[in-house]
Amino acid sequence: SQQGEEDPQALSIQEGENATMNCSYKTSINNLQWYRQNSGRGLVHLILIRSNEREKHSGRLRVTLDTSKKSSSLLITASRAADTASYFCATRTIGGTSYGKLTFGQGTILTVHP
Amino acid sequence: NAGVTQTPKFQVLKTGQSMTLQCAQDMNHNSMYWYRQDPGMGLRLIYYSASEGTTDKGEVPNGYNVSRLNKREFSLRLESAAPSQTSVYFCASSDRTQRDTIYFGEGSWLTVV
Repeated sequence: SQQGEEDPQALSIQEGENATMNCSYKTSINNLQWYRQNSGRGLVHLILIRSNEREKHSGRLRVTLDTSKKSSSLLITASRAADTASYFCATRTIGGTSYGKLTFGQGTILTVHP
Repeated sequence: NAGVTQTPKFQVLKTGQSMTLQCAQDMNHNSMYWYRQDPGMGLRLIYYSASEGTTDKGEVPNGYNVSRLNKREFSLRLESAAPSQTSVYFCASSDRTQRDTIYFGEGSWLTVV
């Protein structure tokens, strides 16, 4: 079963709007990460938030983490057509013995219309 | 920087054939991984190698074998391909000094007919 589940599965917005994607997970985590995947390409790391952090920013990205609700959200502000991609959350559970041994969600497909 | 390089990019196999997916990274990372990506399933870990000389099973190891040839290279072998192994395969690497960030290759599209 998937540790992380994203919501919505697909999101379609206009350029300039904000895009919000949510991720829920089941077990306690060490950290949660967001990755982006352009069509036909590999995944690219966007941002990591640790279990003791509540919010983190990177450029137009804002990530929040609520460990009590076992959920995270990724906000992309002032979206651009180039932001069109699939976005995945990934979790590293507490006690994991191998760095980078992450569990990925199913992803949110974001389409930004010019 | 090449990062993580995997070959081949595309491959069509007949059921029962064998093949090896090659992966190399030039970032001096200790850990390497093989994931498969299927529609609606996200990425699932097949095998990983925490360091040179070690390999461990991931979530979906059945039907696969791996070899950590050296610190740079980590190969994935399908001994007898099955249609259920039709998927996109991603090799990845990471290092503790970079705090869990995983770097992915561009993917290998495998179709088993």
